[in-house]
Amino acid sequence: DIQMTQSPASLSASLGETVTIECRASEDIYNGLAWYQQKPGKSPQLLIYNANSLHTGVPSRFSGSGSGTQYSLKINSLQSEDVASYFCQQYYDYPWTFGGGTKLELK
Amino acid sequence: QVNLLQSGAALVKPGASVKLSCKASGYTFTDYYIHWVKQSHGKSLEWIGYINPNSGYTNYNEKFKSKATLTVDKSTNTAYMELSRLTSEDSATYYCTRSRGRYFDFWGPGTMVTVSS
Repeated sequence: DIQMTQSPASLSASLGETVTIECRASEDIYNGLAWYQQKPGKSPQLLIYNANSLHTGVPSRFSGSGSGTQYSLKINSLQSEDVASYFCQQYYDYPWTFGGGTKLELK
Repeated sequence: QVNLLQSGAALVKPGASVKLSCKASGYTFTDYYIHWVKQSHGKSLEWIGYINPNSGYTNYNEKFKSKATLTVDKSTNTAYMELSRLTSEDSATYYCTRSRGRYFDFWGPGTMVTVSS
């Protein structure tokens, strides 16, 4: 199975700040990567697919980048509604696997 | 609008089985695969498998092959997941979600399963 290692596990940032979350795959996943946001008590929601494509309706302050085994999610100008957990997921090979998650809080 | 309506929370005894449902609306049911994802309390996510509603073809994560059985009823646009021989390790929230590409573009609200005597 492809292991997805996400960092950091938790993150505290101020409003307006830029935040970056990293995800490393145990092998090349050829941009087969998605990012999800999960707010407390809610189901995950798709933010980014194919490593860098913004899902419909997602604010442009979210962006994804990377290639090979290294990927990142960047949130520009952090808003209060961005407080959530974030997960990466690879869909290059079965079984599809998720990162351990990053919990983002406001400082 | 797209909706995946999941069955309510379940409290089940160890060793028993439970069947969860996921009723789709707002889109053509057979155009998307239905996947199931497990989230143990406050932790990360595990992909269980998917079913193609059009053909009934299933693909399971090896880890869940003897635990989960996925079925679908096209007449009611409903997908089902049966979990068998439940233990405390199966206590979790289970999400149904759909894909057309290789990512999940819409998720149900989840069903919490608690295994306890």
